[in-house]
Amino acid sequence: NAGVTQTPKFQVLKTGQSMTLQCAQDMNHNSMYWYRQDPGMGLRLIYYSASEGTTDKGEVPNGYNVSRLNKREFSLRLESAAPSQTSVYFCASSAIPDRDGYTFGSGTRLTVV
Amino acid sequence: QQQVKQSPQSLIVQKGGISIINCAYENTAFDYFPWYQQFPGKGPALLIAIRPDVSEKKEGRFTISFNKSAKQFSLHIMDSQPGDSATYFCAASFAGGYQKVTFGTGTKLQVIP
Repeated sequence: NAGVTQTPKFQVLKTGQSMTLQCAQDMNHNSMYWYRQDPGMGLRLIYYSASEGTTDKGEVPNGYNVSRLNKREFSLRLESAAPSQTSVYFCASSAIPDRDGYTFGSGTRLTVV
Repeated sequence: QQQVKQSPQSLIVQKGGISIINCAYENTAFDYFPWYQQFPGKGPALLIAIRPDVSEKKEGRFTISFNKSAKQFSLHIMDSQPGDSATYFCAASFAGGYQKVTFGTGTKLQVIP
């Protein structure tokens, strides 16, 4: 019962480098989400995917891209990392959000220097 | 644009006491109000949730009180224990399908022996 798996758990990037954060869920959930968590700002939605084949912008999408590779996997890409993207990134999934809530992964702590 | 305002930012409660965290929302179309609990190094986990047609929901030591006219809701933790020490997030979303969740800024609770 893995739930939502995120990789890597930690990453340090230099400004301008690119990387992809991976997320996979094994619960057959339709919707998947990427949030970032910053001190004093709670969790802010970056992108979401209502179902396989669809993606939409959330509250803070600038500097990010996503791919819903299949029903299980939803990746987040930083094309040119900036120090402002230093954060903890969480992936989540849900079958029916207003009945079951979200299941979150354990997060990726990203530092951009 | 903060659609869900949460207070206090931090809270210290003695073991056995009552912890109270408050949230206020702006959008009257919100239809689902979950609370999430997050331990250090982990992703948030759904704790308890309520819909606006109910004024109170209790699950064990955790109770949500909901005031629709005031657009406010709160989490009460009775008989608080050191194991309750965590960050708590209130949230709100619209009903149906994949609806994305808007989170409050979080409350760090410390329960001291």
